[in-house]
Amino acid sequence: AQSVTQLGSHVSVSEGALVLLRCNYSSSVPPYLFWYVQYPNQGLQLLLKYTSAATLVKGINGFEAEFKKSETSFHLTKPSAHMSDAAEYFCAVARDKLIFGTGTRLQVFP
Amino acid sequence: GAVVSQHPSRVICKSGTSVKIECRSLDFQATTMFWYRQFPKQSLMLMATSNEGSKATYEQGVEKDKFLINHASLTLSTLTVTSAHPEDSSFYICSARARRMNTEAFFGQGTRLTVV
Repeated sequence: AQSVTQLGSHVSVSEGALVLLRCNYSSSVPPYLFWYVQYPNQGLQLLLKYTSAATLVKGINGFEAEFKKSETSFHLTKPSAHMSDAAEYFCAVARDKLIFGTGTRLQVFP
Repeated sequence: GAVVSQHPSRVICKSGTSVKIECRSLDFQATTMFWYRQFPKQSLMLMATSNEGSKATYEQGVEKDKFLINHASLTLSTLTVTSAHPEDSSFYICSARARRMNTEAFFGQGTRLTVV
């Protein structure tokens, strides 16, 4: 069975501050891992994905994530938050089907 | 990039009627499509997985007779909510995956269903 856990349903940062959204996974086989962003009343947009190549994955909008097998983690980071980053972020794990974490709402304050 | 179009984006229907939601892959052949349901401020819950030409595989707790899924072609899947009730009101999202794209799935814009 595979699953993901996102620690922290809400994260608030100031504009320009570091963004860190946490994701831990559980999988009996090497996982494929994804981060998606969702804006209100919209579908999901892929930020980045890990598919067993480089452990440090760079995505769109300045986001990146590092796959750490020893910690079973795939945390999402961005060095400097922007107001437009405010959204819901989902970590997901996939093999035959895509399973989502509970999501983290990111708020960015000026 | 791969585009998935979901229609309609919003629908309001009367209780007891049926509603059909379409999900189309516009520039690739979707061998697998997924249907999710999302409650306000919650995560996406996988309802079912459909492979082209096969019957959909439903997740535990999802009524297959209520949520009819058809994946008759490589570019179209439909979700029909039959005899809709207010508790079926939700945000429904489809996603599509092609064999050549490994496990990456692309998402439609979602459909906001309100049953009155």
